[in-house]
Amino acid sequence: AQTVTQSQPEMSVQEAETVTLSCTYDTSESDYYLFWYKQPPSRQMILVIRQEAYKQQNATENRFSVNFQKAAKSFSLKISDSQLGDAAMYFCAYRSAKGSARQLTFGSGTQLTVLP
Amino acid sequence: KAGVTQTPRYLIKTRGQQVTLSCSPISGHRSVSWYQQTPGQGLQFLFEYFSETQRNKGNFPGRFSGRQFSNSRSEMNVSTLELGDSALYLCASSLASGSSGANVLTFGAGSRLTVL
Repeated sequence: AQTVTQSQPEMSVQEAETVTLSCTYDTSESDYYLFWYKQPPSRQMILVIRQEAYKQQNATENRFSVNFQKAAKSFSLKISDSQLGDAAMYFCAYRSAKGSARQLTFGSGTQLTVLP
Repeated sequence: KAGVTQTPRYLIKTRGQQVTLSCSPISGHRSVSWYQQTPGQGLQFLFEYFSETQRNKGNFPGRFSGRQFSNSRSEMNVSTLELGDSALYLCASSLASGSSGANVLTFGAGSRLTVL
């Protein structure tokens, strides 16, 4: 079974600074998808960014980018120019590309605080 | 386009009762998944439905069940409620396979269940 580990329960960053959230995963599969979701106090899970394992290029979405290291099974999220609205719980998630099921395996989350 | 709608948003039940939660997916989405979120266990996969068929099931007791209707709306039911069933129940929908968006789950705001 796949596992996802987020070793930083809490992180803080100064507004306008850059922060990196860590995520490692364990899988024997070669094809899969990785995601970062954020969950603000409203509890709505919002997709931040996704990465297909077969793609070498790291995904980027505006101020959010990932550092995907397939051999190391590492998938970190970098938030540049942090804003107060970025404060949330961030979850790393894994999904197998095998079959048609859409089951996500989540990490335990990192609570990000943005300091003004 | 309307998002994933979950009802009710909040509910309180007592031990031994049963509860039914509803989820209306984004129009055109045929896959619906359910997750349980608790402080202790984090986010755990319950089950996934596609075209009225359960495609995948997580490691939960038989008290947890679900179904999907022909219009893709889904319900989950928990019978004989226990204190430990208190959680945020999240529903997510996605496109059918074969589309680039099929890998992305869009979540609803959740139904917060409190069992007394």
